[in-house]
Amino acid sequence: GAVVSQHPSRVICKSGTSVKIECRSLDFQATTMFWYRQFPKQSLMLMATSNEGSKATYEQGVEKDKFLINHASLTLSTLTVTSAHPEDSSFYICSALNRGPANYGYTFGSGTRLTVV
Amino acid sequence: KQEVTQIPAALSVPEGENLVLNCSFTDSAIYNLQWFRQDPGKGLTSLLLIQSSQREQTSGRLNASLDKSSGRSTLYIAASQPGDSATYLCAVMDSSYKLIFGSGTRLLVRP
Repeated sequence: GAVVSQHPSRVICKSGTSVKIECRSLDFQATTMFWYRQFPKQSLMLMATSNEGSKATYEQGVEKDKFLINHASLTLSTLTVTSAHPEDSSFYICSALNRGPANYGYTFGSGTRLTVV
Repeated sequence: KQEVTQIPAALSVPEGENLVLNCSFTDSAIYNLQWFRQDPGKGLTSLLLIQSSQREQTSGRLNASLDKSSGRSTLYIAASQPGDSATYLCAVMDSSYKLIFGSGTRLLVRP
């Protein structure tokens, strides 16, 4: 089945530094990937839509310069949290849209727990 | 604006019970509906995906139904087990391929 690998699974960084999170589709090509943020005991909030070869589309209220998204290939999208602050601490999850004939749905990565100290 | 609601927010049942989780959505113009499972601190595992033209999908002890006209879906879990304890999320895909999530149902199956 479709697999999405997300790395790292957990990261602790100092305030003011930048952190990069990778999302890879392992066995299918994903022209569209999505980045979500999840606060404790809450549902997923869509941050942005990442399209291969073009600029990401950000949801209202999400800072483009804070959360840099790059989708340079059909299997890789990256989210960089720039100048991280404690309020950026959260669980970040990526997903890829699998347009295969048997499964037109989302496959999610395992998530990244970011802690900014 | 599409809104997805899940009821109940939390559920605790003894092992062996059959149970139903509910999901409702306000805009029937959806591409598909997907049920996910999320364990604490983990990502999402897709359980069942129902295309807008379908009425139900089954996988093992799980059965999901979709009534697009009334904006409702149910996830039926038969013979629940402690390993089923997790948060179950319902999400609809809108015409722009975005997934809109409900707030989830936290399920605890007691041994």
